[in-house]
Amino acid sequence: DIQMTQSPSSVSASVGDRVTITCRASQGISSWLAWYQQKPGRAPKLLIYAASSLQSGVPSRFSGSGSGTDFTLTISSLQPEDFATYYCQQANSFPLTFGGGTKVQIK
Amino acid sequence: QLQLQESGPGLVKPSETLSLTCTVSGGSISSSRFYWGWIRQPPGKGLEWIGSIFYSGNTYYNPSLKSRVTISVDSSKNQFSLRLSSVTAADTALYYCARQGGATDYFDYWGQGTLVTVSS
Repeated sequence: DIQMTQSPSSVSASVGDRVTITCRASQGISSWLAWYQQKPGRAPKLLIYAASSLQSGVPSRFSGSGSGTDFTLTISSLQPEDFATYYCQQANSFPLTFGGGTKVQIK
Repeated sequence: QLQLQESGPGLVKPSETLSLTCTVSGGSISSSRFYWGWIRQPPGKGLEWIGSIFYSGNTYYNPSLKSRVTISVDSSKNQFSLRLSSVTAADTALYYCARQGGATDYFDYWGQGTLVTVSS
């Protein structure tokens, strides 16, 4: 199985801050990576797929980069509605696996 | 707009079988472009992929659960189902169904989730 490791596990930030979350795969996954946002009591929402492609309807302040084993999700200017937990997921091979999550909290 | 809705018992006894159904509306489960998957999330924890099915019945399962999992599809009802046998407290989780890109394996539409508690 491909292990996905996210860091940090939590981050405290203020509205307007630039936030970067990292996801590392235990082996190369090319660009087969997605990012999801999950708010309390809600299902995950797809933000980014293929490492850097923005899902339809997702604000442009979200961006993704990376390939191989190292990936990042960046929120360029944090908004109040962005406080949530973010997960990465590899789609290179079965079993599909998720990172442990990064909680973005209000500073 | 595509919608997915999970249904099934919220309480299952240890050693019994958990059964859930996902009803898809606003689109056909028989599309050749998509798989249909189950993902679970224990309370306060992360996401775990359980398995996925194509409308033809082709399935992929997580090896960690494969011996206990069966996913089936009923195209006539636009539904797919999950059965997890011999459950324990460790299977207590929020269970989600989701649409999965057939060529990409990302989950772009999700149900709201249903909490299943394993307890006597």
